[in-house]
Amino acid sequence: QLVESGGGLVKPGGSLRLTCEASGFSFSDFSMNWVRQAPGKGLEWVASIGSRSTYIYYADSVKGRFTISRDNAKNSLSLQMNSLRGDDTAFYYCARDKSGFDIWGQGTMVTVSS
Amino acid sequence: DIQVTQSPSTLSASVGDRVTITCRTSQTITSWLAWYQQKPGKAPKLLISKASTLESGVPSRFGGSGSGTEFTLTISSLQPDDFATYYCQQYHSFSPWAFGQGTKVDI
Repeated sequence: QLVESGGGLVKPGGSLRLTCEASGFSFSDFSMNWVRQAPGKGLEWVASIGSRSTYIYYADSVKGRFTISRDNAKNSLSLQMNSLRGDDTAFYYCARDKSGFDIWGQGTMVTVSS
Repeated sequence: DIQVTQSPSTLSASVGDRVTITCRTSQTITSWLAWYQQKPGKAPKLLISKASTLESGVPSRFGGSGSGTEFTLTISSLQPDDFATYYCQQYHSFSPWAFGQGTKVDI
């Protein structure tokens, strides 16, 4: 399973770090992703990281502000979010990549507001 | 980047109806398409990968078809548990893993 944490209320321009803890599978064998969903809106892919961090990709909307990373020894995925804006307000999910995103966490809410 | 267009955005149906949702991509993605179901307050659930491969535990009334740029999710006989929002997602090599806009299936 995947369990996200680290969400909360932050002011515009602020920073937040999300963490996703994995269990029950060999974390280091899979690429991982962050996906977000603004209230009442659809799904938006945010970032991906390869199993050994050999590749990292970002959506244009977060490039230069967000950083995805992983620690395979700790079965942990992170998303460092800087320069947060109001349109970053969303539920953030981590998801395992296995020909489609087959395992999702329960999500953590990030609210950017003054 | 590959664009993903899903239709319709909403669909009103009744229990027992056959339901079809379409997803089109701006470039060919061979069969690298997934379908998800999401219920309110829950994370999405993967139903179908590689355009037509049913995930373990997903009822056989769900089916996926298509290749290239046009894909279809079909629910052969809609059940009460199927009222939800459905999303397609392309994952062809690397173009951003784009989701469709979603289709809400309601009564």
